[in-house]
Amino acid sequence: AQKITQTQPGMFVQEKEAVTLDCTYDTSDQSYGLFWYKQPSSGEMIFLIYQGSYDEQNATEGRYSLNFQKARKSANLVISASQLGDSAMYFCAMREGYNFNKFYFGSGTKLNVKP
Amino acid sequence: DAGVTQSPTHLIKTRGQQVTLRCSPKSGHDTVSWYQQALGQGPQFIFQYYEEEERQRGNFPDRFSGHQFPNYSSELNVNALLLGDSALYLCASSDARDSPYEQYFGPGTRLTVT
Repeated sequence: AQKITQTQPGMFVQEKEAVTLDCTYDTSDQSYGLFWYKQPSSGEMIFLIYQGSYDEQNATEGRYSLNFQKARKSANLVISASQLGDSAMYFCAMREGYNFNKFYFGSGTKLNVKP
Repeated sequence: DAGVTQSPTHLIKTRGQQVTLRCSPKSGHDTVSWYQQALGQGPQFIFQYYEEEERQRGNFPDRFSGHQFPNYSSELNVNALLLGDSALYLCASSDARDSPYEQYFGPGTRLTVT
């Protein structure tokens, strides 16, 4: 089974609108971490936001928020007030294992922000 | 403060050859992880090095090996290259004492095998 599933290969959003990128995960560990990364065409992975499995509050970082639904094993990324510079690939990732050494990435969602 | 650096930026090799990719971690980081990202896919975890030892390994054959030096920099070696090894190879560094164990990625090395 896939550890991380991102079901939206591509998404379009109008500038200044909000968009939700879906992510579901699969783990039997009680302790794990969930991450979202942005990858522009340059290739570098940019960390956006983190949610720990024991965190009760949804994580927020500026315009980014993570909608964490533990029972559903989902960790959707919400980008508010989209900007043209948000156009990029977005990857959901999970870290599990002893000392959190194993990192799994989804297949990504290509976000296009329209002016 | 220099971030994670990788060299070379691009590399073209022939099937059957061997290649070495290099990574210098962010200052203060002691842990280095390597990922392979095929075109149009997410990164796949190859292995992680800490204290000069391989601490964790993903589903990659023994043709993929690595090393970490006392200054925490790292090398990824791939032997007997296959066409399917063509990918972007990403290095990420982290501090084992940090929470939430955030990784900082380098710009990657684009390997093309012909």
